[in-house]
Amino acid sequence: GQQLNQSPQSMFIQEGEDVSMNCTSSSIFNTWLWYKQDPGEGPVLLIALYKAGELTSNGRLTAQFGITRKDSFLNISASIPSDVGIYFCAGHFYNQGGKLIFGQGTELSVKP
Amino acid sequence: DTGVSQNPRHKITKRGQNVTFRCDPISEHNRLYWYRQTLGQGPEFLTYFQNEAQLEKSRLLSDRFSAERPKGSFSTLEIQRTEQGDSAMYLCASSLVEATREAFFGQGTRLTVV
Repeated sequence: GQQLNQSPQSMFIQEGEDVSMNCTSSSIFNTWLWYKQDPGEGPVLLIALYKAGELTSNGRLTAQFGITRKDSFLNISASIPSDVGIYFCAGHFYNQGGKLIFGQGTELSVKP
Repeated sequence: DTGVSQNPRHKITKRGQNVTFRCDPISEHNRLYWYRQTLGQGPEFLTYFQNEAQLEKSRLLSDRFSAERPKGSFSTLEIQRTEQGDSAMYLCASSLVEATREAFFGQGTRLTVV
């Protein structure tokens, strides 16, 4: 079945540092999405990517849809304490009715 | 609040009991999804509805699980004869058909089976 491998599993950084995480797939996706989840809450959509090669920003967040359509990365610049949480990538395959395949998550800790 | 609403937020039940969760999607959204998330993992798809029709069910959805969306608005997820392995966060999401890929999630229902 389709699987997403997300790395790293966890990151411990100092406030102000930049962060990069990525996701790779064994399958081609036609959409990549990045979500953030706080403890005890549902995932919140951060960025959606629709075309291979697309680079999209949302404030301090930047994400790219890989040319091969099998990978994506998320960068966070100048991290702040409220960036703490678990970041998930998710892929959508065009003929699967909206079902999303999620990665295992990257847990981000930011030290003030 | 016009987001996706789930109730209850937490449920503790004894093994063997039945439980039911409710999801109220964003009002104009015609697609509704259920996902399950265990500790340290990403959400896993269970099933989804377009209006009142259940269009897909995952193999994760055993015979003990049933979901309904009778009037195309809110949905319920029932688990019969709960087992300890059912302990998880159950997440509901909704979207427009035209923007299927941009699903918005509720806060989830945390189920603990003791």
